[in-house]
Amino acid sequence: AQSVTQPDIHITVSEGASLELRCNYSYGATPYLFWYVQSPGQGLQLLLKYFSGDTLVQGIKGFEAEFKRSQSSFNLRKPSVHWSDAAEYFCAVLDTGRRALTFGSGTRLQVQP
Amino acid sequence: DSGVTQTPKHLITATGQRVTLRCSPRSGDLSVYWYQQSLDQGLQFLIQYYNGEERAKGNILERFSAQQFPDLHSELNLSSLELGDSALYFCASSVSLGTGNGNTIYFGEGSWLTVV
Repeated sequence: AQSVTQPDIHITVSEGASLELRCNYSYGATPYLFWYVQSPGQGLQLLLKYFSGDTLVQGIKGFEAEFKRSQSSFNLRKPSVHWSDAAEYFCAVLDTGRRALTFGSGTRLQVQP
Repeated sequence: DSGVTQTPKHLITATGQRVTLRCSPRSGDLSVYWYQQSLDQGLQFLIQYYNGEERAKGNILERFSAQQFPDLHSELNLSSLELGDSALYFCASSVSLGTGNGNTIYFGEGSWLTVV
């Protein structure tokens, strides 16, 4: 069965610093991968997705992610974090057979001034 | 705004009761999903409908049921509610069951259910 691991439960970075959130997946076929963000009391907003092609994908709000098949990873990056980026971030893989997303447990990002 | 609309946004009800959560998918999307987010279980897939038919089932309890109507809106019915059912319930939608961008799933803002 597919699974997603986000090793970091909580990360704190300073405003203006770079950010990398880790995501490892387990899936037998070519994965469809997603990053979503959930601000406090809000729904899940799609940041970016990977289906195929270029392994570096660009998303909204200045985020990007790199798919590395050899490492089964899909890490999310941002060169300079803003205070408004404080939220919880979820990595997910789509099980195309079951037509469902499997989510990681999430990483809570705190941004220090 | 994802275009997925959920009502109600908040709901408080007593144990043993029954509630219905409603979802309108994005315009043009035929597929609707329901997810549950709780502190102990995280984000769990419940069920999926495509153009009115059930297509996939996840960790949905027998006390829960869902349906998708001809106008493509969907309802999630939760009955004999227990304290542990308190959670944020998300509806999501996508265009199709196909590959590529048809698999992009957009989420609503969720319905907060509190069982007391």
